Amino acid sequence: AQTVTQSQPEMSVQEAETVTLSCTYDTSESDYYLFWYKQPPSRQMILVIRQEAYKQQNATENRFSVNFQKAAKSFSLKISDSQLGDAAMYFCAYRSGSGGSNYKLTFGKGTLLTVNP
Amino acid sequence: DGGITQSPKYLFRKEGQNVTLSCEQNLNHDAMYWYRQDPGQGLRLIYYSQIVNDFQKGDIAEGYSVSREKKESFPLTVTSAQKNPTAFYLCASSANSEAFFGQGTRLTVV
Repeated sequence: AQTVTQSQPEMSVQEAETVTLSCTYDTSESDYYLFWYKQPPSRQMILVIRQEAYKQQNATENRFSVNFQKAAKSFSLKISDSQLGDAAMYFCAYRSGSGGSNYKLTFGKGTLLTVNP
Repeated sequence: DGGITQSPKYLFRKEGQNVTLSCEQNLNHDAMYWYRQDPGQGLRLIYYSQIVNDFQKGDIAEGYSVSREKKESFPLTVTSAQKNPTAFYLCASSANSEAFFGQGTRLTVV
């Protein structure tokens, strides 16, 4: 079974600065997807960024980028120019690339990010 | 607007009672999921369904039941057999490459 580990229960960053959230995973599969989800106080799960394992290029979405190290099974999220609205719980998630429409996700335990003004 | 609707937002249950959480989607997605979220635990999969009239147990299915009679609906019943039902419950659906989540139901046993 796949596992996802987020080793930082809490992180804080000053507004406008950069922060990196860590995630490692364990799998024997070669085809899979990795995700970062954001959960603000409203508790709505919002997809931040997605990475396909077969792609060597790191995914980027505006101020959010990942450092995907497939051999090390590491998938960190970098948030640049942090904003107050970035404060939330962040979850790393794994999905197998096989299984057709079955996109069940395995989640890490989350990192609570605080942004200080 | 297309999306996933969970109801109610807050639910209170007496010990020993069954309770059903509603999840409806109008995204025309085949697959639907139920997750449970506890503090410090992340999200854990309870049940999932890939197609109408079919569903599979997830990692923590004990004390829960589901049905999938319609593509749009995937209700979750929390039975009296669930020893610690107080939690936040999230429903999701997916199609090609992304899972979409509802806004959740907070269940409290009183």
